[in-house]
Amino acid sequence: EPEVTQTPSHQVTQMGQEVILRCVPISNHLYFYWYRQILGQKVEFLVSFYNNEISEKSEIFDDQFSVERPDGSNFTLKIRSTKLEDSAMYFCASSEAAPLFNRPNTEAFFGQGTRLTVV
Amino acid sequence: AQSVSQHNHHVILSEAASLELGCNYSYGGTVNLFWYVQYPGQHLQLLLKYFSGDPLVKGIKGFEAEFIKSKFSFNLRKPSVQWSDTAEYFCAVNGGTGGSYIPTFGRGTSLIVHP
Repeated sequence: EPEVTQTPSHQVTQMGQEVILRCVPISNHLYFYWYRQILGQKVEFLVSFYNNEISEKSEIFDDQFSVERPDGSNFTLKIRSTKLEDSAMYFCASSEAAPLFNRPNTEAFFGQGTRLTVV
Repeated sequence: AQSVSQHNHHVILSEAASLELGCNYSYGGTVNLFWYVQYPGQHLQLLLKYFSGDPLVKGIKGFEAEFIKSKFSFNLRKPSVQWSDTAEYFCAVNGGTGGSYIPTFGRGTSLIVHP
């Protein structure tokens, strides 16, 4: 069964350092997402990406964050200068189509997540 | 603002007990509704979804959910839980009047089933 894969599974970094979280979405999917979950809190939307550009982003996704699809398979999230409060589980997801009403195959499929710890 | 609420943060049950997890949303208009499950150490998996039609939706592993539009609810149920149902459960919603296609998640409910 096709799945979304994320690497690394765990990342520990020092405050102020740059990190890149990597994701390989399901191959025929066109929409890609990053979510994060701070320990004990809800899963929060960060950004969605379609046709090589950001389609939506949340207030959390400020200038320190960026996303890229450097080749035909990878989808990356970069945090330029990490802060302690960036410590969270980061989930990548992809969907075959945009979740529009009454259309099938629009649910998002999630990766296992990358646990980022900023020290 | 549009929001999704899961009122039960932690639920502890014995095997064979019945389960109902609450989910309420604040969106007006047409919505799409999802329940995801995250087993320990694994990724978020879709349990079931509602787009239209029969408001009683059946998903994998014996789970079902009922969409009650008048109550803005999409509660998850299972008549008899198993130890293997121990996991985190997330309700998600997208759409709504002026809403986005991006799924918004509730806080999650941690379910522990004792053998």
